[in-house]
Amino acid sequence: AQTVTQSQPEMSVQEAETVTLSCTYDTSESDYYLFWYKQPPSRQMILVIRQEAYKQQNATENRFSVNFQKAAKSFSLKISDSQLGDAAMYFCAYRIYSGGGADGLTFGKGTHLIIQP
Amino acid sequence: NAGVTQTPKFRILKIGQSMTLQCTQDMNHNYMYWYRQDPGMGLKLIYYSVGAGITDKGEVPNGYNVSRSTTEDFPLRLELAAPSQTSVYFCASSFEGARTGELFFGEGSRLTVL
Repeated sequence: AQTVTQSQPEMSVQEAETVTLSCTYDTSESDYYLFWYKQPPSRQMILVIRQEAYKQQNATENRFSVNFQKAAKSFSLKISDSQLGDAAMYFCAYRIYSGGGADGLTFGKGTHLIIQP
Repeated sequence: NAGVTQTPKFRILKIGQSMTLQCTQDMNHNYMYWYRQDPGMGLKLIYYSVGAGITDKGEVPNGYNVSRSTTEDFPLRLELAAPSQTSVYFCASSFEGARTGELFFGEGSRLTVL
């Protein structure tokens, strides 16, 4: 079974600074997706960024970027120029690319990100 | 587009009662999912469906049932509610025709069993 580990239950960063959230995963598959979802106090799950395992280039979405190390099974999220609105729970998630199969996402336990003004 | 809509958003049940959480999506997605999120934890998969008439168990199916009579709707039924089912429930959907892998989530339903 696949597992996703987020070793930082809570992180704190000053506004405008950069923070990196860690994620490792365990799988024997070669083709899969990795995601970071943000969950603010409203509970809504919001996709932050997505990475496909077959792509070597790290994904980037504005202030959010990832460091994808496939051999090390590591998928960290870097948030640059942190803003107060970035405060939330962040979940790392894994999904097999299985074509016709429905597999859903496997989630880590989350990292609570605090932004200090 | 409304996306994925869940009702109710909040509910309190007594032990042994039953209820149905409703989920509907208007994106014509073929895959739908139910997750539960316990305090301090990530989401765990309860049931999923790859299309109308087809459902299957996820990681934590005990105490729940689902049905999928249409593409749009995927209700989750709790029979004989227990305190262990106190949680936040999320419905999600995805379109498996394009290789994006992304799931779209509803806003969640907070259920308390007393």
